[in-house]
Amino acid sequence: GAGVSQTPSNKVTEKGKYVELRCDPISGHTALYWYRQSLGQGPEFLIYFQGTGAADDSGLPNDRFFAVRPEGSVSTLKIQRTERGDSAVYLCASSSTGGSYNEQFFGPGTRLTVL
Amino acid sequence: TQLLEQSPQFLSIQEGENLTVYCNSSSVFSSLQWYRQEPGEGPVLLVTVVTGGEVKKLKRLTFQFGDARKDSSLHITAAQPGDTGLYLCAGGFGSARQLTFGSGTQLTVLP
Repeated sequence: GAGVSQTPSNKVTEKGKYVELRCDPISGHTALYWYRQSLGQGPEFLIYFQGTGAADDSGLPNDRFFAVRPEGSVSTLKIQRTERGDSAVYLCASSSTGGSYNEQFFGPGTRLTVL
Repeated sequence: TQLLEQSPQFLSIQEGENLTVYCNSSSVFSSLQWYRQEPGEGPVLLVTVVTGGEVKKLKRLTFQFGDARKDSSLHITAAQPGDTGLYLCAGGFGSARQLTFGSGTQLTVLP
C-alpha cells in the first residue's frame, strides 16, 4: 500500500514568512509524528498525535510552531515568522497504535530553506 | 532528556569488508529500532529489538540488543556499495511514544 507522503518536497521562503507543511500518513495509522532533521544529525522529535489530538508537543521549539490534525488523518505543521535557524528537513512518520513496539514509518520529508 | 550515542560517526571501507556500528544509552530502552537513510529520503526501518540479548538477522546485517537493554550493535558482513547510507539507531524510553535518535553513522562502501 501507499506509504507516508509529504508535500511539498522542497520549500524556499524568506525570513519572517509563514509556511505550512503537509503530511498524509499510512491509511489506518492512528499515530502521527513530526520530527526535524538538521544536516549531519538524527531526527529530533517535535510533536505526536494520537487521533486528532496532540498527545505530546514537548518537542516544539517555541510558539511559532504549531501542528494540527483535524480529522485524525492528514496533518499540517505550521511555522510562523520563519527564521533562518528553522531551515531543516521536516519528517513525518506514522504508526499503528496496535502495532508492534511503536514501529514508525517515515515519509520522504520536506526540505525547508529560510533565506 | 534521553541521549543516544552512536559510533563511529563516519566509516569508509572497501567492498567485502566487515563493520560494526554501536548505539549506547545511559537509560534502558523500551524498544530500539535501526533505520537506514539515503540522501533526499526519509529513514527506512530495518529492524526492531525489544528483548535483552536479542539477536536478529537481515541477510548480511546482524542486529544485537544488549542484555541490559542499554546498547545495541549493527554488524554488516561483506559490505557492498549498495549498503552505503546513513544508519540511525532510535530508542523508545518508558511509555513515551516518540523516538530518540542517535546522530547516525555515515557509511561509505567503496567498490
